[in-house]
Amino acid sequence: DTGVSQDPRHKITKRGQNVTFRCDPISEHNRLYWYRQTLGQGPEFLTYFQNEAQLEKSRLLSDRFSAERPKGSFSTLEIQRTEQGDSAMYLCASSSPQWELFFGEGSRLTVL
Amino acid sequence: GQQLNQSPQSMFIQEGEDVSMNCTSSSIFNTWLWYKQDPGEGPVLLIALYKAGELTSNGRLTAQFGITRKDSFLNISASIPSDVGIYFCAGQTRTEKLVFGKGTKLTVNP
Repeated sequence: DTGVSQDPRHKITKRGQNVTFRCDPISEHNRLYWYRQTLGQGPEFLTYFQNEAQLEKSRLLSDRFSAERPKGSFSTLEIQRTEQGDSAMYLCASSSPQWELFFGEGSRLTVL
Repeated sequence: GQQLNQSPQSMFIQEGEDVSMNCTSSSIFNTWLWYKQDPGEGPVLLIALYKAGELTSNGRLTAQFGITRKDSFLNISASIPSDVGIYFCAGQTRTEKLVFGKGTKLTVNP
């Protein structure tokens, strides 16, 4: 399967713990995006990378959130000191040269 | 910020019926995309539109990029049970990120 891959698919954690999500984009795509989706809402933009450069960050991305793409391939999204309000589906996408975004299956976070 | 108004919020139809949903915005977008999302999964791209006025089909799906670049619609003809899901429109900004609508939840009764 050469689509966008996310890991883990599900994560349950206690409030205050740190969590990290990984995204492996489609190999020939140089743009990678992170979105967050809560129940009944559309995905909301968090941040995006072109190769290893983080080009834009949303105001939704508080200081507790950090994203990296060290070698311009896979990316990680870390949430420190999780809060219950962080519970959501975290979606990764990569884009083709035509700017079409292809999403992974998402990582669902539940903070207890 | 930029917002997309997607309607209707939900639809309940009989198998075989046609479906129409749309998105409007006060902002201009360079690209419109339509996605379908099943529960617990990521959105799957259905159709991408690149030029104002463009009309594109993908099987039973047809979508149009509004001439003002501020709206788009999606039609599904002869609906089948597997069309069930949430449909999202998304507009692409000049800074290349996608802004999503809140979705149209489609239920198809056999």
